[in-house]
Amino acid sequence: AQRVTQPEKLLSVFKGAPVELKCNYSYSGSPELFWYVQYSRQRLQLLLRHISRESIKGFTADLNKGETSFHLKKPFAQEEDSAMYYCALIQGAQKLVFGQGTRLTINP
Amino acid sequence: EAGVAQSPRYKIIEKRQSVAFWCNPISGHATLYWYQQILGQGPKLLIQFQNNGVVDDSQLPKDRFSAERLKGVDSTLKIQPAKLEDSAVYLCASSQLTGEAFFGQGTRLTVV
Repeated sequence: AQRVTQPEKLLSVFKGAPVELKCNYSYSGSPELFWYVQYSRQRLQLLLRHISRESIKGFTADLNKGETSFHLKKPFAQEEDSAMYYCALIQGAQKLVFGQGTRLTINP
Repeated sequence: EAGVAQSPRYKIIEKRQSVAFWCNPISGHATLYWYQQILGQGPKLLIQFQNNGVVDDSQLPKDRFSAERLKGVDSTLKIQPAKLEDSAVYLCASSQLTGEAFFGQGTRLTVV
């Protein structure tokens, strides 16, 4: 069965420092991977997806099939990046499965 | 465009009572999901509809949970009877056949 693992429940970095949120997956087929974000008191929303290969709010994520990883990175963290981040995988008939999430806190 | 609408926003019930949640997806979205999010955990998929048919309900506790999507538009999720461990946020999301999922604000259920 497909599985998404986010090893860090909490991550705290200082403003201006680089950020990397880890995501590993297990799936036998060709996965489609996403990062979703939930800011305080807002609904869960898509941040980026691997097939679009774009940078959103300075974040990028590269799919590494060899390591089965899809880590989210940003070179310089900003205070407004503080949020819950969820890695997600979609397979087959659009079944969307989430990891446990990482709470990112950016310290001033 | 209007987003995914869910109601109620909050619900408090006693254990063994029944409760129902309602979701109105974005117009034209064929896929509708219900997730359960327990505090401190990621969203867990309960059931997925494609139009009015069930695609996946493998993690739905069918002895107490039921869901329907009549006419392939809005959907209801019911719990009967509720248990303490059902306390969670219930999220509804919708998507087009190939596309991102859009989430509602969720219904926070507290079972006492």
